[in-house]
Amino acid sequence: DQQVKQNSPSLSVQEGRISILNCDYTNSMFDYFLWYKKYPAEGPTFLISISSIKDKNEDGRFTVFLNKSAKHLSLHIVPSQPGDSAVYFCAAPRTGNQFYFGTGTSLTVIP
Amino acid sequence: ETGVTQSPTHLIKTRGQQVTLRCSSQSGHNTVSWYQQALGQGPQFIFQYYREEENGRGNFPPRFSGLQFPNYSSELNVNALELDDSALYLCASSPGTSIHSGANVLTFGAGSRLTVL
Repeated sequence: DQQVKQNSPSLSVQEGRISILNCDYTNSMFDYFLWYKKYPAEGPTFLISISSIKDKNEDGRFTVFLNKSAKHLSLHIVPSQPGDSAVYFCAAPRTGNQFYFGTGTSLTVIP
Repeated sequence: ETGVTQSPTHLIKTRGQQVTLRCSSQSGHNTVSWYQQALGQGPQFIFQYYREEENGRGNFPPRFSGLQFPNYSSELNVNALELDDSALYLCASSPGTSIHSGANVLTFGAGSRLTVL
């Protein structure tokens, strides 16, 4: 049973434009969400997180939005840069820092 | 500060064999988590070790087992390998097991890619 879902396997955007990556979840008890980024041949690296008591968290070019009623979160990257090309995973804790991960969205930023 | 290192990076086994994967945690981290990432999938939680004790297990059969050593490094052992065990195995370390402090996000290694023939 997939607790965290990323329904778009891939996304292509032009450099300088906005990238929007989406994630849906099924468990309304999740109280924390994270985004990880993964380059080929490297492990995932932590990008940004959000607590369920907030609806937005911003860190430089990266903003995560949380819509609890829709059980949906999104990651916005503005402006997108070629170095942002990677696979992005959203994650939610099954307990503590043990996570359910989505299947990932492969972002390609076209120069 | 040394990050998380995993060995071997690649290995090939045949069905029924056993495999041991190793992980050195980041300096100062006492918690190690293991994830399996099959092709086209996200990482799936296998188990976590905290101060040498198992601290949670995902939906994996008992032939997946682990250890954590006093220096907080860890091993993942898989017995009776099956074709479906072919995957990237990721180890992650953290300074603890809670998340709400924001300080215990996972630091991942680059993974060990296992192919079972």
